[in-house]
Amino acid sequence: AQKITQTQPGMFVQEKEAVTLDCTYDTSDQSYGLFWYKQPSSGEMIFLIYQGSYDEQNATEGRYSLNFQKARKSANLVISASQLGDSAMYFCAMRDRLDTGRRALTFGSGTRLQVQP
Amino acid sequence: GAVVSQHPSWVICKSGTSVKIECRSLDFQATTMFWYRQFPKQSLMLMATSNEGSKATYEQGVEKDKFLINHASLTLSTLTVTSAHPEDSSFYICSASPRLAGGGDTQYFGPGTRLTVL
Repeated sequence: AQKITQTQPGMFVQEKEAVTLDCTYDTSDQSYGLFWYKQPSSGEMIFLIYQGSYDEQNATEGRYSLNFQKARKSANLVISASQLGDSAMYFCAMRDRLDTGRRALTFGSGTRLQVQP
Repeated sequence: GAVVSQHPSWVICKSGTSVKIECRSLDFQATTMFWYRQFPKQSLMLMATSNEGSKATYEQGVEKDKFLINHASLTLSTLTVTSAHPEDSSFYICSASPRLAGGGDTQYFGPGTRLTVL
């Protein structure tokens, strides 16, 4: 079964508008972490935001916020006031199995966001 | 802070040769580094976990004799692709975590190395 599911292969958004990128996850662990990364065409992976499973409040970092719905196992990324420079691939990732000491990330298939002027 | 570098950024080699890729954490120590591979238009797949001073842990299906990992110090891990073949052509990305106290143990990624095997 897919651990991380991103159902939107591509998204378009008008500049200055908000956009939500979907992410659902599957884990039986109680303690886990959820991440969002941005990958521009240059290939580098840029960390955007983190949400811990025990965090009661949704994470926010500037124009990025994470809509964390634990019961639904979803961790959607919301980008407010989109900018042309936001055009990139966006990956949702999870780290679970923490009791095993495993710290690697499992990535979703990604969503390509294109911001239109 | 939390900068990870990779060298080289791209490499083209002939089939049968070996290629070494370096991953360095520039401003923090990392007891653990991770190597991922990304094929075009696909997601990142974990290849192995590199542990300082001990053997790497490889994911299922990854040949440890083909992808040699050495974590010689707290700031350097190397991935050597031995006897490279065209199917090894890919984007290789490393990551490291500074283990911030009380933090999310965020992984910071290097800029990646694009390997093309002719």
